[in-house]
Formats: sequence, C-alpha cells, structure tokens
Amino acid sequence: DTEVTQTPKHLVMGMTNKKSLKCEQHMGHRAMYWYKQKAKKPPELMFVYSYEKLSINESVPSRFSPECPNSSLLNLHLHALQPEDSALYLCASSQPRRGNTEAFFGQGTRLTVV
Amino acid sequence: AQSVTQLDSQVPVFEEAPVELRCNYSSSVSVYLFWYVQYPNQGLQLLLKYLSGSTLVKGINGFEAEFNKSQTSFHLRKPSVHISDTAEYFCAVSGNTGFQKLVFGTGTRLLVSP
Repeated sequence: DTEVTQTPKHLVMGMTNKKSLKCEQHMGHRAMYWYKQKAKKPPELMFVYSYEKLSINESVPSRFSPECPNSSLLNLHLHALQPEDSALYLCASSQPRRGNTEAFFGQGTRLTVV
Repeated sequence: AQSVTQLDSQVPVFEEAPVELRCNYSSSVSVYLFWYVQYPNQGLQLLLKYLSGSTLVKGINGFEAEFNKSQTSFHLRKPSVHISDTAEYFCAVSGNTGFQKLVFGTGTRLLVSP
C-alpha cells in the first residue's frame, strides 16, 4: 500500500467556521508533511512532523493548527481562515532518514474559504 | 539554502515529438533532485529522483533526466510524448537531511497536441 489518503477532497468553509483536514498513511512512514498550493503555483511547505513531533513550522499563521495523533494520522485544524487561504492542501509522508527516500503525496483537499 | 529554477512556464509540443523540460538548481551543499508530475486537480506523483550514483536517471512513463553537477542542471526528457503527458511538471530539490523538505520550482506546463 503506497497511498496517502486525504479527506475530504473538497471543503467550503466560512471565515468563522472550524474545520479539520485529515491525512492517513499505512506505509510505516514516520515523517509527515503539510504543503499548501495556491492556483498555478508550486507547493509550499507548511509543517513537518517527525516521529509524531512537530519538527518544522514554516512561520505558518496560528489559524492553521497541525496535529499528529499517531504515526499514521496527520490532521490540520482550521479556524478563522481568510479567503486568501483558499488553496489545495497536500499531505505527504516519507521515512525520516538520509539517503534513498522519497515523499509520497496524497490527492489533496481543495479548500475554499467564503 | 536551496532553490530551483524552471525557466519555461509552458512547453507546447506535438504528439510523438521529443521534449526536454529544463531545471537548474542552486545549493551550497549536496542535494537530492526530483521531478514530480501533477495532473489537473490531482496530487503530485514522483517521476524520478537523483540521490547519487549514475547521472542518468530513468523514471516512470518513459521519462529520464540527467544530473549535471558542473551546470547545476537536472533536465527532464522524453523521446516521444503522448497526449496523456499533458500536465504540470515540477522540479524539486531537498537537502541532505532526514526530511523531504522539498523546494519546488515554479513548474512547467507541458501541452501535447495531436
């Protein structure tokens, strides 16, 4: 199983809503990532978890709150978002080691903030 | 810090013609290089990667790339393209750490027409 599964595929939320994006992998990977991709732009790294601990936060606003409850799951909690946060949110996973490793990406959640 | 430059934002080509998508990188340390493909409304799929060893790397779907350290390039090639190769192609670099902290280029849209 080389899949990273993200739910939901599409999400529309108001600026006062609270919602969560979910990501799951069963490849035994111990590093998981959130990337944000605006339309016609490359993905940009938001967060990295390694062994369920937050290792990298790329200065992401606090209205985005990541959570890694176990080695297979990664959540992104959303609160008080702005319309400019509308984007494709991609989850990825990999083995946290040097050398022969690659990141596997999910299909993404298309988020629209209204 | 690493960076990637993809000079061509769009490359139009006829079906069964050869294609080369250009990628140049900048880094002060040894790097790992990747090419990803993204079909419309999809996540990212790894085409190929260069970690070390042979500078000619073969990937999926008939793509290959050559790592050229002196020219800091990692161009992607395919001898004969298909309509189904129409997609966005991202070159990416990561450093020699335990994470897949990928830095992406701006992407090249490959447009294959009959």
